Amino acid sequence: KAGVTQTPRYLIKTRGQQVTLSCSPISGHRSVSWYQQTPGQGLQFLFEYFSETQRNKGNFPGRFSGRQFSNSRSEMNVSTLELGDSALYLCASSLGWTGSSYEQYFGPGTRLTVT
Amino acid sequence: DQQVKQNSPSLSVQEGRISILNCDYTNSMFDYFLWYKKYPAEGPTFLISISSIKDKNEDGRFTVFLNKSAKHLSLHIVPSQPGDSAVYFCAASRGTQGGSEKLVFGKGTKLTVNP
Repeated sequence: KAGVTQTPRYLIKTRGQQVTLSCSPISGHRSVSWYQQTPGQGLQFLFEYFSETQRNKGNFPGRFSGRQFSNSRSEMNVSTLELGDSALYLCASSLGWTGSSYEQYFGPGTRLTVT
Repeated sequence: DQQVKQNSPSLSVQEGRISILNCDYTNSMFDYFLWYKKYPAEGPTFLISISSIKDKNEDGRFTVFLNKSAKHLSLHIVPSQPGDSAVYFCAASRGTQGGSEKLVFGKGTKLTVNP
């Protein structure tokens, strides 16, 4: 079974621009979560989508948004980029809580650099 | 307010010995815990998890212990191998409460296993 894929792997943008990142979950997984990883803050939860609906949201400004399509693929958008948005953006998919276990499986991430 | 803490940023162990990585949490609503391993430029890889109804879970060389009263969990790796050298993240979730796919991560412990 193919793992979680993210595109692009690397991206360089200029301050003020916007960016869209894409994530394809493991086949059959309906939940997709996004995380931001920075050296100072570690891994921080952005939001989670399930069946095309945002189900959970972290403490990030409204410049960070996302969506999920009917095939469970998800996109994350950041508008008006700031230098501090430079980070590794990770997508994770899961089947959801099975009643006894629950795991999220991560993609390789998109490394965004804002100059 | 850091709800999941990994107080040791780094740990160095000899090959063949036991590695013990520790994690503390403050939110008593967490009831499901996971450990991930991360290599540079890759996404986190799921290792092992434990529900709050258990106090121990084993998978091969990896064992996770949970002490709910102390709000503490630990990951034991026996025997340690050089390939185990990576950053290890502890994560917590309110998974059993349904609809809560958010993982709260610690900042990680870098494990180095010396040959």
